[in-house]
Amino acid sequence: NAGVTQTPKFQVLKTGQSMTLQCAQDMNHEYMSWYRQDPGMGLRLIHYSVGAGITDQGEVPNGYNVSRSTTEDFPLRLLSAAPSQTSVYFCASSYSMPRGQNEKLFFGSGTQLSVL
Amino acid sequence: AQTVTQSQPEMSVQEAETVTLSCTYDTSESNYYLFWYKQPPSRQMILVIRQEAYKQQNATENRFSVNFQKAAKSFSLKISDSQLGDTAMYFCAFMRGSNYQLIWGAGTKLIIKP
Repeated sequence: NAGVTQTPKFQVLKTGQSMTLQCAQDMNHEYMSWYRQDPGMGLRLIHYSVGAGITDQGEVPNGYNVSRSTTEDFPLRLLSAAPSQTSVYFCASSYSMPRGQNEKLFFGSGTQLSVL
Repeated sequence: AQTVTQSQPEMSVQEAETVTLSCTYDTSESNYYLFWYKQPPSRQMILVIRQEAYKQQNATENRFSVNFQKAAKSFSLKISDSQLGDTAMYFCAFMRGSNYQLIWGAGTKLIIKP
């Protein structure tokens, strides 16, 4: 079972470069989301999607774009990377929008991004 | 604004001992959910246990149990008979019943020593 697959696992960028972090799930989950994890802080929600064609902003959306053209894929785009975006990025999905009862969030293994 | 505080950055115990991780949260809402997630060195986030605020009974999952004190806004995790595989970062998380967004604590690094 593949679950949630994130690529790449590691990436180094120069300031101003652009790149896309890939996230794919094979569980037919409607809900997908992107988090960033910084030292000494909890995960913070960047963007999320409740289905194909529907996206919304989370807690820290600035500097990031997302799209959801298919149920399976939810890429995160950095248009002009900044050192402040150095972080570990996690993609997570669940069958439906997590409402704390039965839905379980499945996480990818993360992408370590460094912006120099 | 909702906040989640984990006051213990790091803890270590001997294998087979019992350990309790602390978590406090701040909210004015009455409908919410609380979670503990485990993140081992593999970086995968794994759900350990969840608690619905409207339930009086503390949640339990095998060796893992919580002490949910709603009035004190406290949600501690107890791990009994700790094992080497329990070594990980543990995150407490709060979900508002109104918008279902997760708010995370900064984490506690737990080390189980042989």
